Amino acid sequence: GENVEQHPSTLSVQEGDSAVIKCTYSDSASNYFPWYKQELGKGPQLIIDIRSNVGEKKDQRIAVTLNKTAKHFSLHITETQPEDSAVYFCAAPGGTSYGKLTFGQGTILTVHP
Amino acid sequence: NAGVTQTPKFRVLKTGQSMTLLCAQDMNHEYMYWYRQDPGMGLRLIHYSVGEGTTAKGEVPDGYNVSRLKKQNFLLGLESAAPSQTSVYFCASSYAASLDTQYFGPGTRLTVL
Repeated sequence: GENVEQHPSTLSVQEGDSAVIKCTYSDSASNYFPWYKQELGKGPQLIIDIRSNVGEKKDQRIAVTLNKTAKHFSLHITETQPEDSAVYFCAAPGGTSYGKLTFGQGTILTVHP
Repeated sequence: NAGVTQTPKFRVLKTGQSMTLLCAQDMNHEYMYWYRQDPGMGLRLIHYSVGEGTTAKGEVPDGYNVSRLKKQNFLLGLESAAPSQTSVYFCASSYAASLDTQYFGPGTRLTVL
């Protein structure tokens, strides 16, 4: 099955700085890489995803890059704001069907004002 | 449009007791999932369903059973609760299987004493 490793486990930045979270995956058949944000006391919510046919995708202050050869993908948040503080999860489906996702362990991001 | 709802929000059980967690979605999604979230371990798939009347095992199915009698509902049962099942449980749904957003409920915090 798929194995997803996520680093770092915690990340602390000053408001306005950039934050980068990295994930590696094991199954070369994975073709979809979503990122979820989980605020305190809530369920995860999709913030951005990337398909395997592109190397980068951007949505305002967030971007995701994908390196299929190295089997890793990263989340980039620029101009961080206190409301970006949350737990972020990466995920990958592996070669299985039925939408099964394997999640990374999560990164607690804290943005200090 | 309420999205994905979960009942109850909190529950405390004694070892050996049973209970059922209810997940409901109003988005006409075919696919539904149950995850558990434990500190430092991300989200792990317990069981999933690809349509009404179908269920399948995920990564950590032992000690749990599920049923999908109606398309909009997905029930997770614990027949004989154990302290190792203390966790936060999330239900999710998606319209399609692969390359599709999973929408999460707000979670149920379960404590087994």
